[in-house]
Formats: sequence, structure tokens, C-alpha cells
Amino acid sequence: DTAVSQTPKYLVTQMGNDKSIKCEQNLGHDTMYWYKQDSKKFLKIMFSYNNKELIINETVPNRFSPKSPDKAHLNLHINSLELGDSAVYFCASSLPGSGASYEQYFGPGTRLTVT
Amino acid sequence: LAKTTQPISMDSYEGQEVNITCSHNNIATNDYITWYQQFPSQGPRFIIQGYKTKVTNEVASLFIPADRKSSTLSLPRVSLSDTAVYYCLVGDPNSGGYQKVTFGTGTKLQVIP
Repeated sequence: DTAVSQTPKYLVTQMGNDKSIKCEQNLGHDTMYWYKQDSKKFLKIMFSYNNKELIINETVPNRFSPKSPDKAHLNLHINSLELGDSAVYFCASSLPGSGASYEQYFGPGTRLTVT
Repeated sequence: LAKTTQPISMDSYEGQEVNITCSHNNIATNDYITWYQQFPSQGPRFIIQGYKTKVTNEVASLFIPADRKSSTLSLPRVSLSDTAVYYCLVGDPNSGGYQKVTFGTGTKLQVIP
């Protein structure tokens, strides 16, 4: 039973292209996130959606646009890809401020390589 | 969110108990301490969370002194499969109902046969 799934797992593309990464969770969670982990393994939050509403938007270039068609899905679209976008992108989900938990469930990651 | 400081790396032999300490001097009253584990090529996985004293589950124990300015993740009798990066996070899970989790650099634990 896959809790948080992402597609594709690997993505190799050229600079200037537009690409999308899809995320789905079957945990019934209301909140979903996108994280970026760079080559130095720093894991940084990019976006967070709660019930399809954007609640966290870190300093991310507007080439990155999240889309949440429903609370089980959060997709990430990236326009005009640049070399610096190469990283592993993780999707995660959690219950909203449930009172005592930072427990997030992460997907397997999508390794994006821009050439 | 409170800033955390952890050792960059640690080595341990199989079967030993491993203690990873995290410093969080400016922890706020409502902040909880949470630890995640990340294996290579996988997403982070929640291990344990606590507010004060001691918390234990099937994976680890978390020790938090009275001043809460630090915490220690204890892994009993580690095996090679415990080789991973361990992240300490501090924050208020009730802050606006939203969970803006900030991961630090983590501690890379290498278990040696």
C-alpha cells in the first residue's frame, strides 16, 4: 500500500523545457507539501497546501507552480528549467495541526536532472 | 522556528547504542522536538517526537532534559540498516495549524560491521 507516491521517479530534461511532477497520497491527509533536496542534501520546504489552498510559499522562483486539483493530489509544474533546478523533489503529506505532531509522510522522491 | 545544531556525522559499530544530541537553545514554550530518519534515495521518515522528559517507541527513545535546550535521540543496538541521516526539528505543531517543517543539516550515522 503506497501512502505517498510520486511520478516520475527520474526526470532528465534540457534547459528551457517545462516539466511536471505528480504527487498523490492515499492517507486522507488534508495538508501536502513540496520539498527540494539539493546536492548538499539540504532539505528545504517549497510549498504547502491545506485542503487545496496554498498556505506556505517559500522564496521559490515563480517558474515553479504547484497545483492541487483535490486534497489527495499536489502537482508541481516547472517552467523554463535551469541547471540549478537539478535536485531531488519530495512530496509529503500530513494531518493539519493535529495538536501534537510534525509527523509528515514523504514520497520516494523525484530526481530531476537538467542538462 | 528554533534553530537546531547537531553533529554532522557519527560512526558506530553494530550492536552498540547510539546517542545523537541536538541543541536547540532558543526553543519556545510550545515547541515540540521531532526526529526524522532518511535513508539514501528515500524520503525522510518520522521516528519520534516529544515535549519533555522521555519518550520511547519501538524504534528509538528521546530524552529531553528539564530546560529543553537539547535533546538526545537514542538508538538501541544499531545494525547496518540504521545507517542513515537523522534530522532534529523543533517547532510548534499548533502554530496556525500549519506545519512549516525546517530540516537542518542532519547527522549522518554510519554503522560499521
